[in-house]
This record gives sequence, C-alpha cells and structure tokens, in this order.
Amino acid sequence: AQSVTQLDSHVSVSEGTPVLLRCNYSSSYSPSLFWYVQHPNKGLQLLLKYTSAATLVKGINGFEAEFKKSETSFHLTKPSAHMSDAAEYFCVVSLKTSYDKVIFGPGTSLSVIP
Amino acid sequence: DVKVTQSSRYLVKRTGEKVFLECVQDMDHENMFWYRQDPGLGLRLIYFSYDVKMKEKGDIPEGYSVSREKKERFSLILESASTNQTSMYLCASSSPTGAIYGYTFGSGTRLTVV
Repeated sequence: AQSVTQLDSHVSVSEGTPVLLRCNYSSSYSPSLFWYVQHPNKGLQLLLKYTSAATLVKGINGFEAEFKKSETSFHLTKPSAHMSDAAEYFCVVSLKTSYDKVIFGPGTSLSVIP
Repeated sequence: DVKVTQSSRYLVKRTGEKVFLECVQDMDHENMFWYRQDPGLGLRLIYFSYDVKMKEKGDIPEGYSVSREKKERFSLILESASTNQTSMYLCASSSPTGAIYGYTFGSGTRLTVV
C-alpha cells in the first residue's frame, strides 16, 4: 500500500537556525513528490517538486529537498528559518496508476521563535 | 496566475441541511478535486473529476456527492449535513499532467455543522 509519513507533527526552531522537516513514503510505483505549504487562512502553495530529474530539488523561499530512493525519503530543509516560514507543511506523493493518485501526509506544523 | 475560487470562506449549517460548496477555476483545467482537511489527518480526497459531467469517488465519498456541469465549476454537495462533516474543505484543479506539475488550491471553506 502507498503511504506518506511525516515523522514530526510539530517542529519548533529559532529564527536564523536550520529547518528540517522529515518525510518518508511507501510506494510500489515511481512517484512524483511534492512539498506544499499552508499559511494560516490560506490555500496550499506548491513549494517544490521532484519528478525523476535531479535528486536535489530547489524550491521557493530558500527551501530545498533531496530525494533518496534507498531511504524512501524526501526531507525538506532550509539553512536559516525566517518568521514568515511559520506554517503547516505537507509532503505529497503522486502516483501514476490508472489515474493520478495523490496521497497527502498528515502535515508538520512549523513554529519559528524570535 | 491560476485562480481557484471557493465561494464561501466560512459556513455554518444545521444538521440535516443540504449544503452546496462551490469551486470555480479560471485556467481551463480539466481536472478538479475536493478534499477535506482535518488536524493530524492531512488532506483526504472526497471526489474528483477529469472532465465535464464526469466524476469519480475518492477515498472518503460517503455522505457527499458532486456536480460538474461546466468545465470551470465543481460543486460539492452534502446531501444531509452531519456534525462529523465539520471540517475545512479544499478545492483544487490541475492540467492533465497534474501528477507532474502539482495542483492549485483554493483558500478553503471552513464548514461548521451544528
């Protein structure tokens, strides 16, 4: 069965320190992988995507993620957290089966402490 | 920019009422989706549509139906609202290659059933 696990439901970092949001997936297919961000009272915004090209993917706002097939992971990182990064982050797997099946992780809430 | 507009930001309805949630997109996307978002559960797919008058059940269709009479509009219908349908509802759209390029989401409708 396909699934997405986000290992931390909540992460708290100090402003200016690195961010690591962890994501592992389980899939029998070759997936496309995404990270979305949701700021309070806003819709989901695409941060970055992996679609079987370069394994290190750069996204918006200084975020990047590395696809590691051997570890079935797609962790999101940022070198230096900003207050505006406080939001909910979702790891998403998209599978090309008979239709585009999309599986969302449960989300990680990121808090940034001044 | 692609815009996905959900007609209501907040709704309060009574148990047993028939509820309509409306979603309109302006980029001629073929694919449209309805999700519900609950804390700790991420987003779960209710229904989706790949074409006008076409609909497919997602992972949690019970208690819901949908209508897609025009390409740009995808309506979610709660036939008889219940308190366990209190949730955030998100609409999304994508091109036919949505699995590669990701989805565009609306800002959501927060529905409370009392």
